[in-house]
This record gives sequence, structure tokens and C-alpha cells, in this order.
Amino acid sequence: GQQLNQSPQSMFIQEGEDVSMNCTSSSIFNTWLWYKQDPGEGPVLLIALYKAGELTSNGRLTAQFGITRKDSFLNISASIPSDVGIYFCAGLEYGNKLVFGAGTILRVKS
Amino acid sequence: EAGVVQSPRYKIIEKKQPVAFWCNPISGHNTLYWYRQNLGQGPELLIRYENEEAVDDSQLPKDRFSAERLKGVDSTLKIQPAELGDSAVYLCASSLDALWRTQYFGPGTRLLVL
Repeated sequence: GQQLNQSPQSMFIQEGEDVSMNCTSSSIFNTWLWYKQDPGEGPVLLIALYKAGELTSNGRLTAQFGITRKDSFLNISASIPSDVGIYFCAGLEYGNKLVFGAGTILRVKS
Repeated sequence: EAGVVQSPRYKIIEKKQPVAFWCNPISGHNTLYWYRQNLGQGPELLIRYENEEAVDDSQLPKDRFSAERLKGVDSTLKIQPAELGDSAVYLCASSLDALWRTQYFGPGTRLLVL
């Protein structure tokens, strides 16, 4: 099936730094979702975006739905050790099919 | 409230053997999903149930995979016979309705086919 292009593939940052990751697609989506997956667990929803241009925050996390509907980004401010994990973007295509990116692995040095 | 329960958590089998995974969704959730997650990739939908009806099984390899949700509650995903390429994590998720933002994932079953 179709995959989203998510970047970067991995990041190794210092505690306290800000993090930015993004997702692009050749298809238009009507919903963008961002998930976090810890080792041995299933993905957990962080933020959902429903309108082009929408900017939504959840604590230190901020995500935006691109105005072209073909991209989204996630920012994490002032990273802490528990931010470690794999972050996935997912786009909802017309017809209710959810497509996931390959993930961004985040590692934090304390 | 209990989350999505999956068993077993890990399974190692030899190729050509059958294997089955079980999922119990969150109580009251009528929509259930099975995903496969290959190493280094995001989850890919295999099948979606609304109550006991499979409403999207377009990505399910029907020659060897089967699924059932007989009473609209728990569900079983089966592979027979398993192939080496079936090694992956099989995730179950459920939602109150077909609104994707309310999906809750289980911990997954990690399958290794030797």
C-alpha cells in the first residue's frame, strides 16, 4: 500500500533541545494524525488535525496540517528523556483508509 | 478501564506451520482493526470490522490469512501456512465507532517465522 514520506528517519538530540519532524505525501488527506510508539507497545495518538492550515498543541507538542493537504509537521519543544520512542504520522484518505509513515526514531541524551 | 488485550505477546514458529492471534477490544468498541507492522515500518491495515462484519479486507492476503469476529466482540487472525515474510508485529486496535481518531492499539503480537 501507499506509504507517506516521513523524515528524518532518526534523530539523536540533547535533552532540552527542540525537535522537528515532517511527513509528505503525493496524495491529499482530509485528516492527519501523529502517534508515538514505545518499545513493545502499540502506537498512542498524540495529535489529530482536521483542517488545512490547522495548528494544534498538546503540551510540548505542536503539529500543523499543511495548506496543500499533502504534508504535516510535528514539533516537540524542550525534549526530555521520556520523549524517546518512534513517532509516526498517518494520513486519512478519502474512503476512510489510514496510511502510516515509516516513523522517526527519537533518542534523547540526558 | 482495560485496554485492548492481545495474546500471545510473542510467537515463534517454523514456516508452513499455522498460527493464530487473539484480540479482545475495549468494552463497547464496535469497530476492530488488524494491522501488520514490519520492522522499521508503520502499521498497515489488514482488515477492519464493524461489529461482526468485515467492511474492509482489501489488504488481507486471503490465500493464507483469515480473520473472524463471530459475536462482534473478540477477534482471531489466522495464518496458514506461515511464510518467512510473515514475521512482523500484528497489532489489533479498536474504536467506539468508525472515527479513526479514537482508535486504541493493543501491544501487539510479535511473530517470528523460522
